[in-house]
Amino acid sequence: SYELTQPPSVSVSPGQTASITCSGDRLGDKFISWYQQKPGQSPVVVINQDRQRPSGIPERFSNSKSGNTATLTISGTQAMDEADYYCQTWESLTVVFGGGTKLTVL
Amino acid sequence: QVQLVQSGAEVKKPGASVKVSCKTSGYTFTTFAIHWVRQAPGQGLEWMGWINAANDKTTLSQKFQGRVTITKDTSARIAYMDVSSLTSEDTAVYYCARYGSGSLYSFDVWGQGTLITVSS
Repeated sequence: SYELTQPPSVSVSPGQTASITCSGDRLGDKFISWYQQKPGQSPVVVINQDRQRPSGIPERFSNSKSGNTATLTISGTQAMDEADYYCQTWESLTVVFGGGTKLTVL
Repeated sequence: QVQLVQSGAEVKKPGASVKVSCKTSGYTFTTFAIHWVRQAPGQGLEWMGWINAANDKTTLSQKFQGRVTITKDTSARIAYMDVSSLTSEDTAVYYCARYGSGSLYSFDVWGQGTLITVSS
C-alpha cells in the first residue's frame, strides 16, 4: 500500500524557520495538502493543492516539492505553531495520510 | 457558517457495533463528499472511507472493507458511519470531514470528533 513518510519530530526556536518533510513514491505527480492539529482539537488545513493557503492561514506557511519529497516550511515560527502536522494525498481513489510530525517550538 | 456536528461519545463492548452521525449545515450537502478519519490515542490520522453525497457511491480503505458501512440521509443532511465487530483496537476519536472542489480538494471543515471506547 502507498505510504507517506514524515519525521516523527522537529524542533525549532521561536522566530526561526521550521521544515517538515513528507516523502512518497511519485509524490511529485500528486497534489498534497498539509494539516495542523493541536492537542484535543480537530485538524485544520494549512496548505491545499500543493501551494494554496486557505483563508486565515498566515503567510508564514508554505509548501514546496522536489522530486518525491514535499516540504512544509514555517517561516518565523511562533509558539502558537507548536502542533502535529500531517501531509495527505490520494492514491488509487483512496486517501493517504503521513504518520505525522510533532513540531516543538523551544 | 459551515458546520459538521457529530454524535456524542460512546462506550461499547468488544464485538458490538457503533453508528456515528455527522450532521452538516451551512452549505449544499450534495456538493461535497464526506470522509471519515479516525485517530487512536496518541496516534496519527487514519483514513477510513468516504461517501459521495451526490449519489450513494462509497469507497472504503481496504483495511475496513466488510466491517465499516458509510451511508447518508440527504434530506436530513446527515452522514453516518457504522463500525461492526468492535475490538479494543477500534478505540479512537472518529472524525467526519468534507471534501470537494469547493474546498480546493482538501478537508476544509471537520467535525468535532466522536470518542468511541471499546472496553469489556
